[in-house]
Amino acid sequence: EVQLLESGGSLVQPGGSLRLSCAGSGFTFSSSAMTWVRQAPGKGLQWVSTISDSGDRTYYADSVKGRFTISRDNSKNTLYLQMSSLRVDDTAIYYCAKATGTTSNWFDPWGQGTLVTVSS
Amino acid sequence: SYELTQPPSVSVSPGQTASITCSADKLEHQYVYWYQQKPGQSPVLVIFRDTMRPSGIPERFSGSNSGNTATLTISGTQSLDEADYYCQAWDSYIALFGGGTKLTVL
Repeated sequence: EVQLLESGGSLVQPGGSLRLSCAGSGFTFSSSAMTWVRQAPGKGLQWVSTISDSGDRTYYADSVKGRFTISRDNSKNTLYLQMSSLRVDDTAIYYCAKATGTTSNWFDPWGQGTLVTVSS
Repeated sequence: SYELTQPPSVSVSPGQTASITCSADKLEHQYVYWYQQKPGQSPVLVIFRDTMRPSGIPERFSGSNSGNTATLTISGTQSLDEADYYCQAWDSYIALFGGGTKLTVL
């Protein structure tokens, strides 16, 4: 069974940094693109970033470009999201998901999410 | 910029057919994906590549994509289908989600 387990969410002050992790199991992690999607409280889904299976290609939403960095360690079956210069509007549940497809990915399955709260 | 537009809410009676639309310019040229999210839960993929249903998703879920509109259809809607539904597509290496549609079964 494919499982994704996020961790690292917490309360952080505006301007601060945080690193999220997503541990994958039950599939060949090194052969799978991975993605982060977030959901602000009471709002819809917002794509954040996607990384290729080898990690050599990364893609970002304009709202996080230059502030967030997606990476992976295939030896540890773990996906990361390094977040810096955090803003109040980055407050959200952050989900990781396995991305499948070639030029057009779909996201399945999703982890349970980790909550990031940016507040002073 | 490219945007996916969904109706905020759709209501359906149990046993009837629910249709949730997702609109964008020339959407038929993109693959569309659909996710179901129940309160307090993570999203679940219900349709991929416009019309394909993942294993474990009931046959009552189907999808189509033509012109500027993709549609998620739920036939014989059940109370357990009550949830938020999101469409998703790609535009130049940017993944986009629609704003979501709350399906109410009453």
